[in-house]
Amino acid sequence: DADVTQTPRNRITKTGKRIMLECSQTKGHDRMYWYRQDPGLGLQLIYYSFDVKDINKGEISDGYSVSRQAQAKFSLSLESAIPNQTALYFCATSDPDGAGGSEQFFGPGTRLTVL
Amino acid sequence: LAKTTQPISMDSYEGQEVNITCSHNNIATNDYITWYQQFPSQGPRFIIQGYKTKVTNEVASLFIPADRKSSTLSLPRVSLSDTAVYYCLVGVISPFYNAGNMLTFGGGTRLMVKP
Repeated sequence: DADVTQTPRNRITKTGKRIMLECSQTKGHDRMYWYRQDPGLGLQLIYYSFDVKDINKGEISDGYSVSRQAQAKFSLSLESAIPNQTALYFCATSDPDGAGGSEQFFGPGTRLTVL
Repeated sequence: LAKTTQPISMDSYEGQEVNITCSHNNIATNDYITWYQQFPSQGPRFIIQGYKTKVTNEVASLFIPADRKSSTLSLPRVSLSDTAVYYCLVGVISPFYNAGNMLTFGGGTRLMVKP
């Protein structure tokens, strides 16, 4: 969805490096999410944020941190990258006013490779 | 957490109706049922959501029996472009409930549509 953008789209880094993945949205949604997807598997939630002051850990937050700089921006950092963090990372947003607040809008993804 | 069970894969032919069933025996009163579609290397895309009975939109129908312990996504007259992975999610995104229920994608069902 063009309303949710992620940078970079592809990134190759080395073990031990700190890297940041950025997500921006123009949908005006308060809620934002970070997921990772390993090949052939479903998405796993890393962190989610219901508003700028509300950030929560997901299923697999170890080794990751986030920053919600503004309503429109939610960044994911890998403190010290390791090879098993090689994955496809997705950012998503949702509007709390929808039924169940459940329709999430996903960005195009960032393919991260840790050597 | 409301755990979901879906078939790992399904095959169909162009023009046929496809029904994908999801089991969710421990669905909670406040939970909604939501289906997403994902193409390779793209973020999931919302298809349909329901709470009970039947919901229909321009691309699919969702059938939910009275006990809500399962749901069936129905795709009418599929085409080759419907080849994708389909995820069933059960839960609700809300600061007042365990938001993790809605944010578990699981393995999904790989639908292959053949000519």
